[in-house]
Amino acid sequence: DQQVKQNSPSLSVQEGRISILNCDYTNSMFDYFLWYKKYPAEGPTFLISISSIKDKNEDGRFTVFLNKSAKHLSLHIVPSQPGDSAVYFCAAKRYNDMRFGAGTRLTVKP
Amino acid sequence: KAGVTQTPRYLIKTRGQQVTLSCSPISGHRSVSWYQQTPGQGLQFLFEYFSETQRNKGNFPGRFSGRQFSNSRSEMNVSTLELGDSALYLCASSSAGGGTGELFFGEGSRLTVL
Repeated sequence: DQQVKQNSPSLSVQEGRISILNCDYTNSMFDYFLWYKKYPAEGPTFLISISSIKDKNEDGRFTVFLNKSAKHLSLHIVPSQPGDSAVYFCAAKRYNDMRFGAGTRLTVKP
Repeated sequence: KAGVTQTPRYLIKTRGQQVTLSCSPISGHRSVSWYQQTPGQGLQFLFEYFSETQRNKGNFPGRFSGRQFSNSRSEMNVSTLELGDSALYLCASSSAGGGTGELFFGEGSRLTVL
């Protein structure tokens, strides 16, 4: 059951521009949403999260937006850097149950 | 503080065999989750253990099983291996189920079934 969906398998942007990664979910009972970043041969690492009662959370170059009515969240990276090139996973959590999307591979070109 | 440790990192098995993967969580973390990562499918949830009890289980067949020991270390077992079981198996630990419940992942065990 795909409760969390990332419909874009890949995204390519120019260094210095904005990267926007999107995620949709189906279960309105999720209470937290998270983004993880994964480099090859490494496990995913936590990037940023947002509570379901908020609509925006910002941490440096990374901002996550949550639209509960549309069951949609997005991650904005500004400005994008080549070191941001990785696979980004969207995750949604209810209590101790965390579900992930299929991931979006971001490539930032110098 | 040591991170999540998974062993073995790589292994090759043949169809019909069984495999056991091990995970040592971050010290103090009592929750351990297992995920299967395959191309195009992302991270598929297998199960989650807390204090030696399975609290959640994903939609995988009974060939996939796990357990957690009193020291929070966890193992997962896959019996009667199929070609489709080839994947990266990731273990993650967390301190509690409440709040953001941020997961800390290991580097994974890459299983190849021939």
